[in-house]
Amino acid sequence: DGGITQSPKYLFRKEGQNVTLSCEQNLNHDAMYWYRQDPGQGLRLIYYSQIVNDFQKGDIAEGYSVSREKKESFPLTVTSAQKNPTAFYLCASTGLGYNEQFFGPGTRLTVL
Amino acid sequence: AQSVSQHNHHVILSEAASLELGCNYSYGGTVNLFWYVQYPGQHLQLLLKYFSGDPLVKGIKGFEAEFIKSKFSFNLRKPSVQWSDTAEYFCAVNNAGGTSYGKLTFGQGTILTVHP
Repeated sequence: DGGITQSPKYLFRKEGQNVTLSCEQNLNHDAMYWYRQDPGQGLRLIYYSQIVNDFQKGDIAEGYSVSREKKESFPLTVTSAQKNPTAFYLCASTGLGYNEQFFGPGTRLTVL
Repeated sequence: AQSVSQHNHHVILSEAASLELGCNYSYGGTVNLFWYVQYPGQHLQLLLKYFSGDPLVKGIKGFEAEFIKSKFSFNLRKPSVQWSDTAEYFCAVNNAGGTSYGKLTFGQGTILTVHP
């Protein structure tokens, strides 16, 4: 089955710790995205990558970092600098033409 | 910068009622428009999209949306809702050309609750 997988589904972190969220796609898509979802705020773009070894900041990149060493993988690190990291994180990808984005199941991060 | 506004945070309907969810966007250029749905415990999935052509677009599960360029609106409609339509609905836009690289700007979301 083609799609996007995210792991883990639930993640708990202590304050001051960095944590990395996994995103993998087997759709052969070039572009990948990370969004953060908070109740009543919709989805906001954290980072995006159009191609391997290249990525750009989105609207709320502060306190986050990413890498894109492989086409199919786009991990997101939530650093201790992120002041309010508790949220639902969604990864997405899209192919040529940047039309429909396909979303993963999400990771719910809770900072204790 | 683009922005998207969804008029209702929470809509409660009975089965068979008609649905209309409002969506307005602000952007001076040409846009692509989307409605996504998030059913409880499921992935965010595409309901329908508009790129060009007929401004009335039909999507999955009996949903449709109308693009009214003069009003910067892309409202979602369904003539008769079902309990299974209970979900959160998101309107989204991206720049149809240029260097946006498909980045989506989302509205705040509308939670739809349908009572049997």
